[in-house]
Amino acid sequence: DSGVTQTPKHLITATGQRVTLRCSPRSGDLSVYWYQQSLDQGLQFLIQYYNGEERAKGNILERFSAQQFPDLHSELNLSSLELGDSALYFCASSADVGQFFGPGTRLTVL
Amino acid sequence: AQSVTQLGSHVSVSEGALVLLRCNYSSSVPPYLFWYVQYPNQGLQLLLKYTTGATLVKGINGFEAEFKKSETSFHLTKPSAHMSDAAEYFCAVSATGNQFYFGTGTSLTVIP
Repeated sequence: DSGVTQTPKHLITATGQRVTLRCSPRSGDLSVYWYQQSLDQGLQFLIQYYNGEERAKGNILERFSAQQFPDLHSELNLSSLELGDSALYFCASSADVGQFFGPGTRLTVL
Repeated sequence: AQSVTQLGSHVSVSEGALVLLRCNYSSSVPPYLFWYVQYPNQGLQLLLKYTTGATLVKGINGFEAEFKKSETSFHLTKPSAHMSDAAEYFCAVSATGNQFYFGTGTSLTVIP
């Protein structure tokens, strides 16, 4: 158990819809990272937050957004969903160099 | 810009044999380097990391990796494979510790 929690574990929705994925980092970790893992794209870095502020941005679509709240939990919002957004979405947290990953949320867009 | 290349998307070894998973990186600055393991239906678990100092890094489960700057490599090894080592392995690089770039992964199969 990495100490990073993600909810929900599975999410099934339809194209055009909007969903919110939630992540709680390890106790004391200020950094939260979001990743998308799919068969064709591999593991792609989306975005990083540090203590509530955006720190780094990767291959995140404009339809996607994230935020980190004062209690350090983070949410990833995915809107106008497309079939290609079906993937595993991981959250990771860190206090030092190196990350601890949550179990992921499997998103299926039908 | 940074990138990671993992040579061999699938590697098979016999139980008890040497495990060698290859990783080459590209980075314009001295990098941080990582190996992660992912078991089915689970998140990634940090095996080991190189930040500074000793170039031979020991990790969990008997794995180790050596940072070779001249070869821009960070290959993962384990002297003797165990059935429980069967998993997907990812190499990653970061120049800043903020943005990480992962390789496409190597699936390790251990043959009894």
